[in-house]
Amino acid sequence: KAGVTQTPRYLIKTRGQQVTLSCSPISGHRSVSWYQQTPGQGLQFLFEYFSETQRNKGNFPGRFSGRQFSNSRSEMNVSTLELGDSALYLCASKSGGSYNEQFFGPGTRLTVL
Amino acid sequence: GIQVEQSPPDLILQEGANSTLRCNFSDSVNNLQWFHQNPWGQLINLFYIPSGTKQNGRLSATTVATERYSLLYISSSQTTDSGVYFCAVGIQGAQKLVFGQGTRLTINP
Repeated sequence: KAGVTQTPRYLIKTRGQQVTLSCSPISGHRSVSWYQQTPGQGLQFLFEYFSETQRNKGNFPGRFSGRQFSNSRSEMNVSTLELGDSALYLCASKSGGSYNEQFFGPGTRLTVL
Repeated sequence: GIQVEQSPPDLILQEGANSTLRCNFSDSVNNLQWFHQNPWGQLINLFYIPSGTKQNGRLSATTVATERYSLLYISSSQTTDSGVYFCAVGIQGAQKLVFGQGTRLTINP
């Protein structure tokens, strides 16, 4: 099976712009989660989608949003970018329940100038 | 919320040495995973181990859920084992993983 894929792998934006990141889960997985990794805060949970519904959301401002499509692919959007949004954004997929193993994609490295 | 603490934060060893990484968590969990983050940032699954013991080659892991800790053992370390190791836990119904701060392992030749 193909693993989790994320596009683009690298992105450079300027403050005030918006960005959309994409994640395709492992075939058959219906749950997609997003995480942000920064040197200062470590790995933090952004949100999780299952069957196009957001089931859980982390403690991030409303500028961070996401959605999931009927084929389980997910996108996350960050509007009005700030310097502090520079981070590695990781997507993970699992088959469903909270006890299931999560598998991560290679990440998108976002730099905000 | 649940707290996850990993120790030590940094570990420097010579090739061939054995190492033990520890993960303590503050509440009951129904999911515990160990990851190795490669130099490009991807998290590589090592173990899914909410309880019990598992082994995979030179790596093994043990989780004692009743005492709220997990251990990752690496034997006969190789330079390719270098990197950051993360422990992450999930709790019932939360649909997310909570990560520790990681242990940075450096294996010198």
